[in-house]
Amino acid sequence: GESVGLHLPTLSVQEGDNSIINCAYSNSASDYFIWYKQESGKGPQFIIDIRSNMDKRQGQRVTVLLNKTVKHLSLQIAATQPGDSAVYFCAGGSGNTGKLIFGQGTTLQVKP
Amino acid sequence: NAGVMQNPRHLVRRRGQEARLRCSPMKGHSHVYWYRQLPEEGLKFMVYLQKENIIDESGMPKERFSAEFPKEGPSILRIQQVVRGDSAAYFCASSRVDTYYEQYFGPGTRLTVT
Repeated sequence: GESVGLHLPTLSVQEGDNSIINCAYSNSASDYFIWYKQESGKGPQFIIDIRSNMDKRQGQRVTVLLNKTVKHLSLQIAATQPGDSAVYFCAGGSGNTGKLIFGQGTTLQVKP
Repeated sequence: NAGVMQNPRHLVRRRGQEARLRCSPMKGHSHVYWYRQLPEEGLKFMVYLQKENIIDESGMPKERFSAEFPKEGPSILRIQQVVRGDSAAYFCASSRVDTYYEQYFGPGTRLTVT
């Protein structure tokens, strides 16, 4: 079946450094991907999405890269701040079903 | 500009009781999605609804769970005869009809079954 998975359960970075969170997926039919940030006790917060016909998309301090050849995407956070500490999920979807398949999540810890 | 609203935020039910979870989508959004999150896990899709119509319920357990999104009022996720394994956080998301890939989530309802 379909799966979306993150490579590392926990990532620890120094404040001010760049963070890279990785995600792999199995369904080559996935045509969009979304990154979410979830803080403790809260709902997932939309960060950025990317369609399968793109290989890069940039937002404010974030960049998502999509490599369809190896079915891999990454979220890069520039100049990581303490407020970036959270669990990050990648999710994939296909067609117009709206059904998202979520990965397990990577916990980002930012050290001051 | 209110986001997705869910209530109650916390719900405690005894085994065998019914749980009703409510979700009001963002203004201008006509599609609603329900997900379940067990502790230390990612979210699992349950059901996707439009007004008065279930589009995809492939993630819903076959028994005891039902969902609706009436013409007026919030979407309701209903769990009958709850069991301890139903304890989880239930999240609702919403999107516009033409941007289903931009789903915005509510704060969730944390259900505890005692």
